[in-house]
Amino acid sequence: DQQVKQNSPSLSVQEGRISILNCDYTNSMFDYFLWYKKYPAEGPTFLISISSIKDKNEDGRFTVFLNKSAKHLSLHIVPSQPGDSAVYFCAGVTQGGSEKLVFGKGTKLTVNP
Amino acid sequence: DVKVTQSSRYLVKRTGEKVFLECVQDMDHENMFWYRQDPGLGLRLIYFSYDVKMKEKGDIPEGYSVSREKKERFSLILESASTNQTSMYLCASRQEMKWNEQYFGPGTRLTVT
Repeated sequence: DQQVKQNSPSLSVQEGRISILNCDYTNSMFDYFLWYKKYPAEGPTFLISISSIKDKNEDGRFTVFLNKSAKHLSLHIVPSQPGDSAVYFCAGVTQGGSEKLVFGKGTKLTVNP
Repeated sequence: DVKVTQSSRYLVKRTGEKVFLECVQDMDHENMFWYRQDPGLGLRLIYFSYDVKMKEKGDIPEGYSVSREKKERFSLILESASTNQTSMYLCASRQEMKWNEQYFGPGTRLTVT
């Protein structure tokens, strides 16, 4: 059973426009969410996170929104840059529970110049 | 500068061979993880360890074993490699409950022929 779902395998946007990557989760015990970014032939790197006590967290061009009632989160990148082209993974965890992050399948973002 | 290193970037092995993938971290982290990444399947947890000599199965442990004799080193073992174990293998480490500080190694691309 997939606890974290990223239903769009790929997304293509123009440089300067907004990129919106979506993530849904089914495990209502998750209370902390993270986004990781992965370039080819490199390990994933942490991008941004959000606790379930918040509905928004912003870091520069990156903003994550959390809608707990819909069990949905989204990552907004504004403005998108060609260097943002990568695979983005969403992950959820239950703080105080298992030490395991549960990852989605990833969305490949391509930002065209 | 934090560091998770993996013994090989690329590895080619034959079916039936015993394969060792080594991971070393220099951050004194308690938790270490082994994932595999496959197209369309995302990051799947194979095994993790929360202390020396302690291990716990992840989501796909079949065909794998692990060893953690020292805190900084976590080894993944393929007892008898098979072609369906051809994949990108990623090691990660993290301090307990430091969810946004999980660091990944660069990955090992294993091909089993």
